[in-house]
Amino acid sequence: SYELTQPPSVSVPPGQTASITCSGDKLGDKYVSWYQQRPGQSPVLVIYQDTKRPSGIPERFSGSNSGNTATLTITGTQALDEADYYCQAWDSSLFVFGTGTKVTVL
Amino acid sequence: EVQLLESGGGFVQPGGSLRLSCAASGFTFSSYAMNWVRQAPGKGLEWVSSISGRDDSTYYADSVKGRFTISRDDSKNTLYLQMNSLRAEDTAVYYCAQDILLRPGGNSFFDYWGQGTLVTVSS
Repeated sequence: SYELTQPPSVSVPPGQTASITCSGDKLGDKYVSWYQQRPGQSPVLVIYQDTKRPSGIPERFSGSNSGNTATLTITGTQALDEADYYCQAWDSSLFVFGTGTKVTVL
Repeated sequence: EVQLLESGGGFVQPGGSLRLSCAASGFTFSSYAMNWVRQAPGKGLEWVSSISGRDDSTYYADSVKGRFTISRDDSKNTLYLQMNSLRAEDTAVYYCAQDILLRPGGNSFFDYWGQGTLVTVSS
């Protein structure tokens, strides 16, 4: 079955850039979505189809996808960006979520 | 405003059954695929099942295939998940989520999520 692997945690000082990777076989051939989940809350879509931002999502969130790796980048990270982040893709008529990355702003 | 409201969660013994519901409003329910995603305590997101709009094609994760059944009633704007032969590892918060497309596929993403309903399977 298809797997998406993310680093368990990423730490970033306030105002700096956080990069969260998502790795999977030939992932660049698929569309990737990214979801933010704050503690105790439901997931929120922050990036879809690799690079697009839904309305209401700040411009500091951006995405890319090439080769075997998709990346979510948070530029000028703020304290309220502290959350778990999950990538997602579709493979063989199944949805797959990444293992998740906890972003800590310190 | 899109709203998704799950219900039906609770405590059930191993081997038991439970039916979850997700009441949708604020969009043309029949025009979108719908999904169930779960999250075990302290764990990550796991996709469970999807159902297409219009033709009701269904899709399941291997972990629930043959035990869970997804369905929808477009006249009631409601999504369901019938869960049978429940196991301890099915314990999780279950979310319903709206797909952006009529049928799940490579262009899909989950635009709106409900608040979730907790299912606990324990003896």
